[in-house]
Amino acid sequence: SQTIHQWPATLVQPVGSPLSLECTVEGTSNPNLYWYRQAAGRGLQLLFYSVGIGQISSEVPQNLSASRPQDRQFILSSKKLLLSDSGFYLCAWSVPMGGEQYFGPGTRLTVT
Amino acid sequence: AQSVAQPEDQVNVAEGNPLTVKCTYSVSGNPYLFWYVQYPNRGLQFLLKYITGDNLVKGSYGFEAEFNKSQTSFHLKKPSALVSDSALYFCAVTDSSYKLIFGSGTRLLVRP
Repeated sequence: SQTIHQWPATLVQPVGSPLSLECTVEGTSNPNLYWYRQAAGRGLQLLFYSVGIGQISSEVPQNLSASRPQDRQFILSSKKLLLSDSGFYLCAWSVPMGGEQYFGPGTRLTVT
Repeated sequence: AQSVAQPEDQVNVAEGNPLTVKCTYSVSGNPYLFWYVQYPNRGLQFLLKYITGDNLVKGSYGFEAEFNKSQTSFHLKKPSALVSDSALYFCAVTDSSYKLIFGSGTRLLVRP
């Protein structure tokens, strides 16, 4: 069966520091991968998605970037964090043709 | 443009009573519709989906949803609510592309 991992689970970082969040998927090949941010426990904002290694689409211009160095690995990064980057970051995967997405456990990021 | 509306921020029901969480959508073409549930500080869990076929879709944990094309609705239902059903529920839609559009979420509170 397929599983999706995210780490770290929680992170507290000062403003201006760099960020790296990692997501890995097991049990499937060539998945679509997604990064979302959820603010205030409500709506989901799609940040990036990827349909293959090195292929990244950005949905919202911002302080963040994403990379997919391996088929089942998706990384969210920032060079300098802003206070507004605080939130709950969720990674998800789907089969290549799309459809339902399966979410990881999330990373709670607090920028101080 | 695709959109999803969840008109109720919160739904309150007594344990044992039926529950309904409302969702309406706007999408060009044939919609794929989904429901997810989120418990505090956790990722989203996939509940059920409608792609085509029977308008009544059965999913996990006793939930079901009814697709109504004329009313462009996809309401989530359960015949008998449990306290453990208390959580945040999201409706989502896609037109078969890679991306899901999520509603703003409805908090379900089931009273003992």
